[in-house]
Amino acid sequence: SQQGEEDPQALSIQEGENATMNCSYKTSINNLQWYRQNSGRGLVHLILIRSNEREKHSGRLRVTLDTSKKSSSLLITASRAADTASYFCATEGIIQGAQKLVFGQGTRLTINP
Amino acid sequence: NAGVMQNPRHLVRRRGQEARLRCSPMKGHSHVYWYRQLPEEGLKFMVYLQKENIIDESGMPKERFSAEFPKEGPSILRIQQVVRGDSAAYFCASSPFAGGAGRGYTFGSGTRLTVV
Repeated sequence: SQQGEEDPQALSIQEGENATMNCSYKTSINNLQWYRQNSGRGLVHLILIRSNEREKHSGRLRVTLDTSKKSSSLLITASRAADTASYFCATEGIIQGAQKLVFGQGTRLTINP
Repeated sequence: NAGVMQNPRHLVRRRGQEARLRCSPMKGHSHVYWYRQLPEEGLKFMVYLQKENIIDESGMPKERFSAEFPKEGPSILRIQQVVRGDSAAYFCASSPFAGGAGRGYTFGSGTRLTVV
């Protein structure tokens, strides 16, 4: 299975601290994406990193990708209460001849004011 | 552009009834993907459709579930004879290119199906 595994499953930190979430996967990929889901809502695309990239930034977000270890991390700096949500990594690649986006189980992030 | 529109937002069905979930992709998007999310879990791929064609239905149960994306109108995910285990949130995503073409997918807000 290409399913991503995320770590930790839940993370609770104080506002202003940095939050780091990790994702591991099993097969070759074209890219890896991170999404945010607020409780009871849909998913919002945050950032995409291609398989030939190692690091990418977007505002307070920093994503790294290590294809040799088949892992990625999402760092949110200077966290805010509004960052409280579930974060999912998703890998995009060819599975059984078809392009698919496969999600991990997610990390539930809680930012305490 | 209103984004990906899903309706209804909430749907309650009794066991044995049919559930019809609708997804209108973003304007100009001809690729639609359906995912199912159980509580506290990630999204599981169900089916990928392009206008009038099912491209990949490997994640969709072979019985009771069907999907279509007609030339005109929204994509429909149909669940016949629903059972309690079908209770979940169903999300639709759309893309202008096959497989998102490395640009990320746009998701709708989902339909939360509850089977009683």
